[in-house]
Amino acid sequence: GENVEQHPSTLSVQEGDSAVIKCTYSDSASNYFPWYKQELGKRPQLIIDIRSNVGEKKDQRIAVTLNKTAKHFSLHITETQPEDSAVYFCAAIEYGNKLVFGAGTILRVKS
Amino acid sequence: GAVVSQHPSRVICKSGTSVKIECRSLDFQATTMFWYRQFPKKSLMLMATSNEGSKATYEQGVEKDKFLINHASLTLSTLTVTSAHPEDSSFYICSALSGQGAEAFFGQGTRLTVV
Repeated sequence: GENVEQHPSTLSVQEGDSAVIKCTYSDSASNYFPWYKQELGKRPQLIIDIRSNVGEKKDQRIAVTLNKTAKHFSLHITETQPEDSAVYFCAAIEYGNKLVFGAGTILRVKS
Repeated sequence: GAVVSQHPSRVICKSGTSVKIECRSLDFQATTMFWYRQFPKKSLMLMATSNEGSKATYEQGVEKDKFLINHASLTLSTLTVTSAHPEDSSFYICSALSGQGAEAFFGQGTRLTVV
């Protein structure tokens, strides 16, 4: 089955700096890659997603890039703000529409 | 976006009892729902795929008889933790897809504490 690896596990940045989180996946058949933000005790919230027929997608301060050949995708957050502090999960969808999650990245934005 | 509602949000039960958690899709029909378990500071681990009108598909290592899943309608899936033990204490969360290969929407999650 699909295996998703996510790095780094923790990331501290200064307010206003950029943050980058990277994920790799194993199943070349996976075709949908969402990113979720989860605050403590809350449900994961979709922040951006990308499908395998697209190389990059941007939504204001958030962007995702996908390299199908290398089987990796990355989340980029620019001009970080304290409210961006949370746990971020990447995921890949495999056969049967099952989402397989990365281990998560704790992002801390220091003001 | 689509709404998935999960209840209860918190439950405390005694060892040996059973607890039922409900997951409802409020404004769309979900033929498939997923149940996850999340330990503190850890990722979401898929427990099982709930299929409307048929048996759930469990991930390797998940006890079918302990975590009973019922998906009797297109808008409701239930997870029953049977004969609960303290080690079953965790955050359980469901999700549903709004369509084939589409965005997954999550319930609020249920914090289960077994004492």
